[in-house]
Amino acid sequence: DAGVIQSPRHEVTEMGQEVTLRCKPISGHNSLFWYRQTMMRGLELLIYFNNNVPIDDSGMPEDRFSAKMPNASFSTLKIQPSEPRDSAVYFCASSPRRGEADTQYFGPGTRLTVL
Amino acid sequence: AQTVTQSQPEMSVQEAETVTLSCTYDTSESDYYLFWYKQPPSRQMILVIRQEAYKQQNATENRFSVNFQKAAKSFSLKISDSQLGDAAMYFCAYSGGGADGLTFGKGTHLIIQP
Repeated sequence: DAGVIQSPRHEVTEMGQEVTLRCKPISGHNSLFWYRQTMMRGLELLIYFNNNVPIDDSGMPEDRFSAKMPNASFSTLKIQPSEPRDSAVYFCASSPRRGEADTQYFGPGTRLTVL
Repeated sequence: AQTVTQSQPEMSVQEAETVTLSCTYDTSESDYYLFWYKQPPSRQMILVIRQEAYKQQNATENRFSVNFQKAAKSFSLKISDSQLGDAAMYFCAYSGGGADGLTFGKGTHLIIQP
């Protein structure tokens, strides 16, 4: 089985530009999570979905960040406008079901650099 | 809010020896899950081991085992017969019983000396 797929793997952009990160969860998984990893703050949960519905977005840093899951096999995380402090590695993870804390499987991450 | 603390920013061990990584957590819940993830330089997050809080028996996966002390809110990882491929960042993580997102510790950088 293919694991969680993220694209792009690397993204370099200039401040003020819109950035869209993409994620394809493992087929059959019902829950999808977006995390951000920085040296200063470590790994932080941004938002998660269950059955394509956003459950908790309290970790989204500000209104510049938005996430969607239009169907069970695709999610996006958008930053508009981007700022240098958004530079980080963004991970997507999926798990088989909610109701119990099943194991989360991570994608390879997207390294975002905002100049 | 739950917190996870890893007090060892870096650990070093000789190849083939045993090393223990520490993790403590704070929660008011009685039902929860604990995980250790490994992150090698490739940055891929890899599950090492998981523990359900309702299980008294400590989880084991080959050379990896945990010492879960629920009353003390402690969840340490023991790696036996360390191998060069074990070199990585190790993150302890917590998840509540409702399958919410993971809360991570800051990580421990494990160095394996040949």
